[in-house]
Amino acid sequence: LAKTTQPISMDSYEGQEVNITCSHNNIATNDYITWYQQFPSQGPRFIIQGYKTKVTNEVASLFIPADRKSSTLSLPRVSLSDTAVYYCLVGEDDYKLSFGAGTTVTVRA
Amino acid sequence: DVKVTQSSRYLVKRTGEKVFLECVQDMDHENMFWYRQDPGLGLRLIYFSYDVKMKEKGDIPEGYSVSREKKERFSLILESASTNQTSMYLCASSPPQQPFVVNYGYTFGSGTRLTVV
Repeated sequence: LAKTTQPISMDSYEGQEVNITCSHNNIATNDYITWYQQFPSQGPRFIIQGYKTKVTNEVASLFIPADRKSSTLSLPRVSLSDTAVYYCLVGEDDYKLSFGAGTTVTVRA
Repeated sequence: DVKVTQSSRYLVKRTGEKVFLECVQDMDHENMFWYRQDPGLGLRLIYFSYDVKMKEKGDIPEGYSVSREKKERFSLILESASTNQTSMYLCASSPPQQPFVVNYGYTFGSGTRLTVV
């Protein structure tokens, strides 16, 4: 199973860029890397997914090096509303994905 | 707007009661999942189903069972509720996994906060 490791928490200020790195040393060839965001009292929501290099959407960017053993979620110019828990997931051979404890990002004014 | 709907937002049950948590999705997804979420532990998979009448144990199935009689509905059953099952329960659905296809998105419901007293 591809296990992920990410920091427990990160603090930031409004307008800064936040980068969360996730380690997944045992990632398999067919696995994608997916990040979810969870606000308090809500279920997680999909924010970005990638296989290699760089992916960007309206919410975030995802950087994946050539060896794919880690990935970095980048949140540009965060605001207070970006305060949430961010989960890094790596696809497995079967249907289920494993969520860890995630990274709690706190954005302060 | 696609949705996963959980029948109750908050639920309070007594120890020993049989508890049913219902989840319905309108996306025609094959896969459905039940997670519980506790502070500091993240989301832990209880059971999942990849087809009607099919079920697989997740990481913490003890004390739970599930039922999937129709594609759109996945029920979580606490046979005899205990206080250590007080938690936030989250249902999710997803389309089938396809290698090299960017489509791993789970859609989660808003959760049911269950308190067992």
